Amino acid sequence: DQQVKQNSPSLSVQEGRISILNCDYTNSMFDYFLWYKKYPAEGPTFLISISSIKDKNEDGRFTVFLNKSAKHLSLHIVPSQPGDSAVYFCAASGSNSGANNLFFGTGTRLTVIP
Amino acid sequence: KAGVTQTPRYLIKTRGQQVTLSCSPISGHRSVSWYQQTPGQGLQFLFEYFSETQRNKGNFPGRFSGRQFSNSRSEMNVSTLELGDSALYLCASSPSGYADTQYFGPGTRLTVL
Repeated sequence: DQQVKQNSPSLSVQEGRISILNCDYTNSMFDYFLWYKKYPAEGPTFLISISSIKDKNEDGRFTVFLNKSAKHLSLHIVPSQPGDSAVYFCAASGSNSGANNLFFGTGTRLTVIP
Repeated sequence: KAGVTQTPRYLIKTRGQQVTLSCSPISGHRSVSWYQQTPGQGLQFLFEYFSETQRNKGNFPGRFSGRQFSNSRSEMNVSTLELGDSALYLCASSPSGYADTQYFGPGTRLTVL
């Protein structure tokens, strides 16, 4: 049973516009959420994270929003750049299951069109 | 600083065989975690080793095992391979095991025929 879901397998955005990637989770025990970026033939790279005590975390062009009541998080990339084209995974963990017992979504492939 | 290295990068085995995958973490990192990536299930956590001890384990059968050596290098073993074990196996290292300090290797692509 997939506890973390990314329902959009792909997303295309024009360069300079906003990219919004969405992620839903089902386990209310999750209290830490992360986003990873993955280029072909490379392992995932950590991008940004958020703890359940916050509802927003920002790092440069990347902002993650958490809506605990809806069990939903999103990653906003503004402005989008062609180098952002990659597969993005959201992941979640719970303090009761170990810091890196991560549950991943299946990924969203972002294409930024120049 | 050298990144996480995994060997071999590609592997083809047949059903019933066993396989050993290797992961060399970033120097100084004591935690190594293993993940399986398949198209249908995405990335799934297998287990984590810290200072030669298995500290955390995901929901995989006992055919999947691992170990960590005193130099923090880790191996993962899969016995009695099944077709469904075909996947990309990723390892990640971190200084202490926190997910946001993990660095992933490029993975080993295992194909079971």
